[in-house]
Amino acid sequence: DTGVSQDPRHKITKRGQNVTFRCDPISEHNRLYWYRQTLGQGPEFLTYFQNEAQLEKSRLLSDRFSAERPKGSFSTLEIQRTEQGDSAMYLCASSSSRAVANYGYTFGSGTRLTVV
Amino acid sequence: GNSVTQMEGPVTLSEEAFLTINCTYTATGYPSLFWYVQYPGEGLQLLLKATKADDKGSNKGFEATYRKETTSFHLEKGSVQVSDSAVYFCALSLHGSSNTGKLIFGQGTTLQVKP
Repeated sequence: DTGVSQDPRHKITKRGQNVTFRCDPISEHNRLYWYRQTLGQGPEFLTYFQNEAQLEKSRLLSDRFSAERPKGSFSTLEIQRTEQGDSAMYLCASSSSRAVANYGYTFGSGTRLTVV
Repeated sequence: GNSVTQMEGPVTLSEEAFLTINCTYTATGYPSLFWYVQYPGEGLQLLLKATKADDKGSNKGFEATYRKETTSFHLEKGSVQVSDSAVYFCALSLHGSSNTGKLIFGQGTTLQVKP
């Protein structure tokens, strides 16, 4: 198992463009989380999937943001009409619902988005 | 609501000094508590955890004890090394049928260890 993979590692985009990030969780993990981390702050929860169902979305997730997890495997996070305030590190984490209390979460290395 | 508060950084120490990073929490229910570490240019790594009151998590010389009476989970290490320089995040999660298990993080504390 290679852990949680995120792609791309870095993305620079012009304001107004759409971007899409991908996360491949640990294969046996049924839970997948997206977080956003801005400079000097802790990660903030964006959304959560259990298998293919999106079960919770933060108020931080405006209507320009959409996330999917087809077939309960990899997940994508799309930001439409990017704004400079979207510049951040986007982190993905996965866990097993049966073992999360004991084993915690595994994070990917993140995708750093810069909107210019 | 649920929240985590960490001492502000940066914390600057000399090698072999004793480290304490304070963390307190507010939670509705009985959370699991975590310390994550983020080295420069890398993702978050789980450092240690505790799932119930009075549990002590430990790893790589770091320790933290889940104190329900003071709602705290302070991180300690007896002798820090230059390689411990990183950002440390305290976090909690709530479990059970009505909770998603999402992590709630503190703002992070930067540790700088000088030779």
